[in-house]
Formats: sequence, structure tokens, C-alpha cells
Amino acid sequence: DQQVKQNSPSLSVQEGRISILNCDYTNSMFDYFLWYKKYPAEGPTFLISISSIKDKNEDGRFTVFLNKSAKHLSLHIVPSQPGDSAVYFCAASFPHMRFGAGTRLTVKP
Amino acid sequence: NAGVTQTPKFRILKIGQSMTLQCTQDMNHNYMYWYRQDPGMGLKLIYYSVGAGITDKGEVPNGYNVSRSTTEDFPLRLELAAPSQTSVYFCASSYDGQTQYFGPGTRLTVL
Repeated sequence: DQQVKQNSPSLSVQEGRISILNCDYTNSMFDYFLWYKKYPAEGPTFLISISSIKDKNEDGRFTVFLNKSAKHLSLHIVPSQPGDSAVYFCAASFPHMRFGAGTRLTVKP
Repeated sequence: NAGVTQTPKFRILKIGQSMTLQCTQDMNHNYMYWYRQDPGMGLKLIYYSVGAGITDKGEVPNGYNVSRSTTEDFPLRLELAAPSQTSVYFCASSYDGQTQYFGPGTRLTVL
């Protein structure tokens, strides 16, 4: 039962442009959502989160949007940098964390 | 401040062998977790703990055991290793039960 889905396994963008990573979920009980970034041979690193009572949270170049009616979460990275190249996981929590399969972002110089 | 540390980084086991994956955190977090990640999949919760002496099953607990005798340590025990347990194992800790901080992982192969 895949309650959190990232339908794009990969995304390639040019340096300086916007990266938009998407995530859909099925469980309306989820009350907290997070994005993690993962480099090869490392553990996931927390990036940004949002509570279900909000629809937007911003932290520097990273913004997470939550559309509860559509059960959709997105992460915007502006401007994208080559160092952003990594696998991005979305996760949703209630009561435990469920992770999507990840999207591999490649930012080309 | 090392965060979450895991040992070993890599291990190859034969079918039927046992081993313990070690996890230690120095952030004084009450919550600790064990996940496994299979290729092309998201992380799946094996076991979790909300404090010393308290553990509970996650989504995929079969074939594993845990203990939590101290706040810092949360070892994961594999008994009678099977090829299906070939995976990358991540330990995580959290201060609020929401934002989790992960260790670098242990890559386990069972042959």
C-alpha cells in the first residue's frame, strides 16, 4: 500500500531555473509533511517541512506547497544549483512516517 | 556533536547467520527509528522507540528485534538472516517525533 507516491523517478533542470518536485498521497489523516534530500552513500537529510494547517512554507531557496484537497505536495527550488543534484524524498506522517520512492534531481551547469 | 552514527557501514552475511546493527545518537532525542530501503523504493519503518525501555513494531518488523536500554543506543538485531533482508538500513532519531535525523546507513547483503 503505497500511501505516498512520487510519480517522477527523475527530473533534469538547468542551473538557475526552477525545480519542481511533486508528491501525491492517499491518506487524509496525514498531518505533517517533509522533504528529505539524499546524496549517494549518505543518509537522508531533512530539508523542509509543513504542517497540514498550512499551505506554504518557505526556507531560503526552498518552498513547500501543500494542497490538501488534491492531496498533493510540491517542493520548489529557486534558483536551482548543481549542488542540489540528489534524490529527494517526500514523507508524510500520521502516526508514523511514510516515504515516497524518491525523485532524482539533476541540475546541469 | 556526531548526530546519528551507525556501524558497520557494510556487511555480508550468509543465510541463517545473525548480526546486530548498531545505532547511537548524541542529541538526547527520545524518539528513535529503524528503516530499511530497498532499491527504487521509499524507506519503510521496521521498529521505533519513544524512549528508553519502550519499543514498538513498524510496518515491516518480521525477522528483526530491537532493544532500547539507554536514550543513546537503539540496536537492531537480525536473527536467521534471509536474502529478503538484503537492503540498506537507516537509523534515525527525533526530538519531537516528527522531524527525523538520519544516520549514514548500513548496507547489508545476505547470500
